Amino acid sequence: GNSVTQMEGPVTLSEEAFLTINCTYTATGYPSLFWYVQYPGEGLQLLLKATKADDKGSNKGFEATYRKETTSFHLEKGSVQVSDSAVYFCALTPSSNQFYFGTGTSLTVIP
Amino acid sequence: KAGVTQTPRYLIKTRGQQVTLSCSPISGHRSVSWYQQTPGQGLQFLFEYFSETQRNKGNFPGRFSGRQFSNSRSEMNVSTLELGDSALYLCASRIPEAGKNIQYFGAGTRLSVL
Repeated sequence: GNSVTQMEGPVTLSEEAFLTINCTYTATGYPSLFWYVQYPGEGLQLLLKATKADDKGSNKGFEATYRKETTSFHLEKGSVQVSDSAVYFCALTPSSNQFYFGTGTSLTVIP
Repeated sequence: KAGVTQTPRYLIKTRGQQVTLSCSPISGHRSVSWYQQTPGQGLQFLFEYFSETQRNKGNFPGRFSGRQFSNSRSEMNVSTLELGDSALYLCASRIPEAGKNIQYFGAGTRLSVL
């Protein structure tokens, strides 16, 4: 079947710290992978995506690399800011018909 | 271009009542999906509609139903509400074509069942 597993939260970091949020997946075929972010009181926004193995998605200083050999798509940022505080969701779609989301990882960045 | 619009933003109902939520997709997007978001379960897929037809369905009881109109607007209905139905209901639209499989989400409708 298809599923996404994210690291448990919540995660609390100091400003300018390095961020990693782990995401691994199980999927049939060759899925597209996504990271979405949800700020308080809002819906989900696409942060970045990768559509094939070894692709690197990047946006707003965040990066994630599609690793087929380890079925992973870990989210990283070199220096987090207070404004990055949000809930982050890893997701996949194996066939463009249905999306599967992880349970979300809450990040709080303190000054 | 306007984003995905969900109405109402907040709703309070009592057990046993029914509720209808509305979603207007981005212009040109013909696919609309609905999700239930709760703190313990994350996002759970309810169903997807494309060209007025339900294309996929998640593992929810028959009390949860939906429909899509010819202008791609969608409604979701929950009958005989239970306390456990309290959640944020998110709608997402997309263009279901190869290379355009990004979902765009609305801000959600927060339903509280008392």
